[in-house]
Amino acid sequence: ETGVTQSPTHLIKTRGQQVTLRCSSQSGHNTVSWYQQALGQGPQFIFQYYREEENGRGNFPPRFSGLQFPNYSSELNVNALELDDSALYLCASSLNWGLDNEQFFGPGTRLTVL
Amino acid sequence: GESVGLHLPTLSVQEGDNSIINCAYSNSASDYFIWYKQESGKGPQFIIDIRSNMDKRQGQRVTVLLNKTVKHLSLQIAATQPGDSAVYFCAETRRDSNYQLIWGAGTKLIIKP
Repeated sequence: ETGVTQSPTHLIKTRGQQVTLRCSSQSGHNTVSWYQQALGQGPQFIFQYYREEENGRGNFPPRFSGLQFPNYSSELNVNALELDDSALYLCASSLNWGLDNEQFFGPGTRLTVL
Repeated sequence: GESVGLHLPTLSVQEGDNSIINCAYSNSASDYFIWYKQESGKGPQFIIDIRSNMDKRQGQRVTVLLNKTVKHLSLQIAATQPGDSAVYFCAETRRDSNYQLIWGAGTKLIIKP
């Protein structure tokens, strides 16, 4: 196991609703990254937080937002859910960011938007 | 556009044989590449990485080869075992993208008994 946990495991929402996904990083890991993985595809980078500040963002609209807390937990919030938001959401923690910082992934949260 | 892609969506190999999974990338500025394994119901797991100043790196039963001339990398798994069944992703990253990972679509490795 990687020591990274995510909750909930599965979630069903309807279009237009808001959702909060949670991640608990390995203790001591200052960086958390969030990814969206559609069925049958590779993960897509959403954003990364380092010491509670966003330090990188992929090509996702502002309705995707995040928070990182001092206790090594983090959240991904998605507003105004759309059908295409249905995916596996992965968080990954690492000691720092950049080269030679292995990312440890959680098992993911499967979000279904109806 | 920039992309990291895989040649085959599914690879089927006999148990005990060697597996070779290929990946192409399009951005010559990519300076770091990682192979991940994702088993069903789990998050990706790091297998091996390679920097752009290298052309080969070996781990336990795995070897990654990087050919910068044709922007291609491969993952070789020796003596494939049933536990190797998974989807394999290559990912690339580079300094000018703040080391964000850009992932390929994945290759599903199936082990035949």
